[in-house]
Amino acid sequence: KQEVTQIPAALSVPEGENLVLNCSFTDSAIYNLQWFRQDPGKGLTSLLLIQSSQREQTSGRLNASLDKSSGRSTLYIAASQPGDSATYLCAVCFGNEKLTFGTGTRLTIIP
Amino acid sequence: DAGVIQSPRHEVTEMGQEVTLRCKPISGHNSLFWYRQTMMRGLELLIYFNNNVPIDDSGMPEDRFSAKMPNASFSTLKIQPSEPRDSAVYFCASSLRDRGLLNTEAFFGQGTRLTVV
Repeated sequence: KQEVTQIPAALSVPEGENLVLNCSFTDSAIYNLQWFRQDPGKGLTSLLLIQSSQREQTSGRLNASLDKSSGRSTLYIAASQPGDSATYLCAVCFGNEKLTFGTGTRLTIIP
Repeated sequence: DAGVIQSPRHEVTEMGQEVTLRCKPISGHNSLFWYRQTMMRGLELLIYFNNNVPIDDSGMPEDRFSAKMPNASFSTLKIQPSEPRDSAVYFCASSLRDRGLLNTEAFFGQGTRLTVV
């Protein structure tokens, strides 16, 4: 069964620190991987998309990496800010366009 | 583009009533997805369409759920009859599947929060 796991479920970090969120998946034959953020009561906002042929993607203070062989992706957030507080979701496209989501990491940035 | 548009944003209905959720995907996108999010089960894919054709409906929980996509700019998810356990947030998403079969980013709507009492 193709599964996506995100650990820890919750993380609290003081403002200004750099942090890493983790995502692991059970099948290395992926098409792409996408990171989203979700604010309470809101929809999902796409942050970064990594195609299977890529190793990393960057957008501003965010950097996502992909290691298919080990079944892992990380989302690095530099110089964290209170506005970064949200739930971060990893989603893997194993094929045929279907996105399988992890359960998310709820991030709190402490001012 | 205004993004993926869902309506209504909130729906409260009584058990046994029919509920219809609506979605307008991003113009030019050819894939559309319906997801359900609950605290217990997280985000679950219910059904997805490519070029208006249902490709995989294996996530639809039971026959009370049905989805249609009559054209490239509109889709509906219907629950008839509704039950309290259907209470959840329902998201619609769209993306573009190009000729190389590479998928672009999936963009999500704001969701419909359904409460069945």
